Amino acid sequence: DTAVSQTPKYLVTQMGNDKSIKCEQNLGHDTMYWYKQDSKKFLKIMFSYNNKELIINETVPNRFSPKSPDKAHLNLHINSLELGDSAVYFCASQGIVNTEAFFGQGTRLTVV
Amino acid sequence: GENVEQHPSTLSVQEGDSAVIKCTYSDSASNYFPWYKQELGKRPQLIIDIRSNVGEKKDQRIAVTLNKTAKHFSLHITETQPEDSAVYFCAASMGGNKLVFGAGTILRVKS
Repeated sequence: DTAVSQTPKYLVTQMGNDKSIKCEQNLGHDTMYWYKQDSKKFLKIMFSYNNKELIINETVPNRFSPKSPDKAHLNLHINSLELGDSAVYFCASQGIVNTEAFFGQGTRLTVV
Repeated sequence: GENVEQHPSTLSVQEGDSAVIKCTYSDSASNYFPWYKQELGKRPQLIIDIRSNVGEKKDQRIAVTLNKTAKHFSLHITETQPEDSAVYFCAASMGGNKLVFGAGTILRVKS
């Protein structure tokens, strides 16, 4: 049973395209995150949701639009993809405050 | 907002030696400090965490210490083994659904 699952695992696309990454967690957690990990391995927080509501938007370009249809899902849609969007995107979920965050397997996005 | 600095960025040790990674945080309201290990091509996974009401925590070969006054915390790995080679991330949270990570430390254990 995968706790946090993301699809797809790999995504190669051309500049200017629009793409989506899906994330689902079966842990019953209220909080979900999107992180971007660039080539230097830095894990940068992008968004945080709590029970379907946006809590944090870390000055991410508005080409990135998260959507949470229910508290078990947090999807990431990216418009007009740019070369600099190439990275590994991780979804994570967290239960009660100050407990372990569980990560998905990551989506490696390559924009060509 | 919270900012977490992590040092060193890379660390090479001989098998059997100890490794220490240090982090500082900016927000004095932060009260939760986890450490994650990320192996090549894998997801980050929690290895140990500490809360602000505790100064030290140990789990077998790994330990974490927290100095709230100085706003820094450290990861200590003793008797390092080749399988300890990975990227290690510290993080800090003040409970507001915001978990902020340090820049990561690449640990290489040479056999």
